[in-house]
Amino acid sequence: EVQLLESGGGFIQPGGSLRLSCAASGFTFNSYAMTWVRQAPGKGLERVSGISASGASTYYADSVKGRFTISRDNSKNTLSLQMNSLRAEDTAVYYCAKGSQEYGYYYMDVWGKGTTVTVSS
Amino acid sequence: EIVLTQSPGTLSLSPGERATLSCRASQSVSSSYLAWYQQKPGQAPRLLIYGASSRATGIPDRFSGSGSGTDFTLTISRLEPEDFAVFYCQHYGSSPKTFGQGTKVEIK
Repeated sequence: EVQLLESGGGFIQPGGSLRLSCAASGFTFNSYAMTWVRQAPGKGLERVSGISASGASTYYADSVKGRFTISRDNSKNTLSLQMNSLRAEDTAVYYCAKGSQEYGYYYMDVWGKGTTVTVSS
Repeated sequence: EIVLTQSPGTLSLSPGERATLSCRASQSVSSSYLAWYQQKPGQAPRLLIYGASSRATGIPDRFSGSGSGTDFTLTISRLEPEDFAVFYCQHYGSSPKTFGQGTKVEIK
């Protein structure tokens, strides 16, 4: 069974940093792109960042560019999101999602349950 | 950037009724790279449809997708109690892979 388990969320003050992780199992991790999607309270979905299967290609939404860094460790089947200079507007549930192929034109076919990030003073 | 506009914002229907959800793109979506997701309260989104009309694994055949270019539709032929949720469309044929704002299907 394909599973994605996020961790690392929590309560953090503005300007602080957090590192989210996503442990993947049940599929050949190094063959699929991966994505972080967030959802602010009561709002819709926003694709924050994506990474190709090899890690060579990355994407960042303008809202997080220069502050967030996505990475993956294919030897440990783990996806990460390093979040720096956090702002109140980064408060959201962060979902890890598996891409349907290794890069390019992929949709998200499996989602984790999410981890909550709250940025507040 | 392709902007996806979903309508209506909220759809109030009874179990057994037909639901028709619209997703309109600001530019043509290449090769029908359009997906639909369902999200129930407190849960993660779930993939329903990809390629505009292909059902994901395990999705009942009462869910169907159609459309091309800039106009796409998700149809639920007969609503079951477990179908009431928020539905999002997303294009994935160019960057950024944006989502629509969602349509809530609620029990009337």
